Amino acid sequence: GAGVSQSPSNKVTEKGKDVELRCDPISGHTALYWYRQSLGQGLEFLIYFQGNSAPDKSGLPSDRFSAERTGGSVSTLTIQRTQQEDSAVYLCASSLVGTTTLLEQFFGPGTRLTVL
Amino acid sequence: DQQVKQNSPSLSVQEGRISILNCDYTNSMFDYFLWYKKYPAEGPTFLISISSIKDKNEDGRFTVFLNKSAKHLSLHIVPSQPGDSAVYFCAASQEGTGNQFYFGTGTSLTVIP
Repeated sequence: GAGVSQSPSNKVTEKGKDVELRCDPISGHTALYWYRQSLGQGLEFLIYFQGNSAPDKSGLPSDRFSAERTGGSVSTLTIQRTQQEDSAVYLCASSLVGTTTLLEQFFGPGTRLTVL
Repeated sequence: DQQVKQNSPSLSVQEGRISILNCDYTNSMFDYFLWYKKYPAEGPTFLISISSIKDKNEDGRFTVFLNKSAKHLSLHIVPSQPGDSAVYFCAASQEGTGNQFYFGTGTSLTVIP
């Protein structure tokens, strides 16, 4: 696959349940980002992975949110005990990191999460 | 605390005319700026970027202008086409801070045929 893929595309869950969202970045991209876009809001940074470095988790809104990146490739964003305010589109992006001109991020189509 | 702001949630322009989308930022340390375009049900796609050493970058019908003293950037689309109808996000980052990007809330552009 040439682009960033995310699964599932849509997820409906009940309040209090845990959910896992998956992201497959572009092969060879060392940087991976998670964002979310709530209704009427901009893209909110959640977490950033770069190679083997410790992830930048400064955007995670609460300790119910966590993310992993296994083998420097696939990433999973986990939301525990979901709340209705977690409803949003969760976007994953990847990029090459090296020079300024390569900082552009390639986004996946997103996962639309609805918490009932 | 929104460090990147797009104060116009929507914009309508006639086909063939110029579209101007604006973006303001508060952090003077930002030195790299990007514009992304997003169609419904798709992820944002990179459109054009500019670094703080420049005040203008042009790519075909798209030109980004940067005014560092005003902490303002704008995207000009000339001539506008119906296929340009989408949501446009501006984003900013500071090199050396781990590539964290700050995005605006987006401007929905409608180009009327």
